[in-house]
Amino acid sequence: AQRVTQPEKLLSVFKGAPVELKCNYSYSGSPELFWYVQYSRQRLQLLLRHISRESIKGFTADLNKGETSFHLKKPFAQEEDSAMYYCALNSNNAGNMLTFGGGTRLMVKP
Amino acid sequence: EPEVTQTPSHQVTQMGQEVILRCVPISNHLYFYWYRQILGQKVEFLVSFYNNEISEKSEIFDDQFSVERPDGSNFTLKIRSTKLEDSAMYFCASSMDSLSNTGELFFGEGSRLTVL
Repeated sequence: AQRVTQPEKLLSVFKGAPVELKCNYSYSGSPELFWYVQYSRQRLQLLLRHISRESIKGFTADLNKGETSFHLKKPFAQEEDSAMYYCALNSNNAGNMLTFGGGTRLMVKP
Repeated sequence: EPEVTQTPSHQVTQMGQEVILRCVPISNHLYFYWYRQILGQKVEFLVSFYNNEISEKSEIFDDQFSVERPDGSNFTLKIRSTKLEDSAMYFCASSMDSLSNTGELFFGEGSRLTVL
């Protein structure tokens, strides 16, 4: 069975500090990984996906199949990055079903 | 910018009552989904719908749940006889393409269901 684990429920950093939101997954096949974000009073929205290999709002995430991880990183956190971040996995076999991690609340302090 | 809209934003019901949650997906999207999040827990997949039929469903989506696209614009989730444990935030989502083709899910703001 597929599973996504985000070990930190809360991550608090100061503005300008580096950020790393951890995500580990378990799946035997070839997964597709995503990061979704929910800002205060806004809807859940896609931040980035591993296959696009792009940087969105300064965030990047690299799929490490050896460590089964997909950590989200940003070198310099901004206050507007404060939000709930969810790592999610779609297994090819499951088609259209996203499995979400429990989420990490990022608080960026001034 | 087009958005997924959900109604009601909050519904309170008595245990055993039927509830219908409504969603209007983005108009040119082809795939539709319901997820739910019990307070303090993970966002969980319920069901996906494509080409007027269910394409996948989770173990949560038992016989008490049903989905329908009655008129080509609305996508509804019905819970026939609500239980206390059905209390959750229910999210509707839609996508133009399937996730395996890197379709992006667009979520609604959610409908909070409280079962008393």
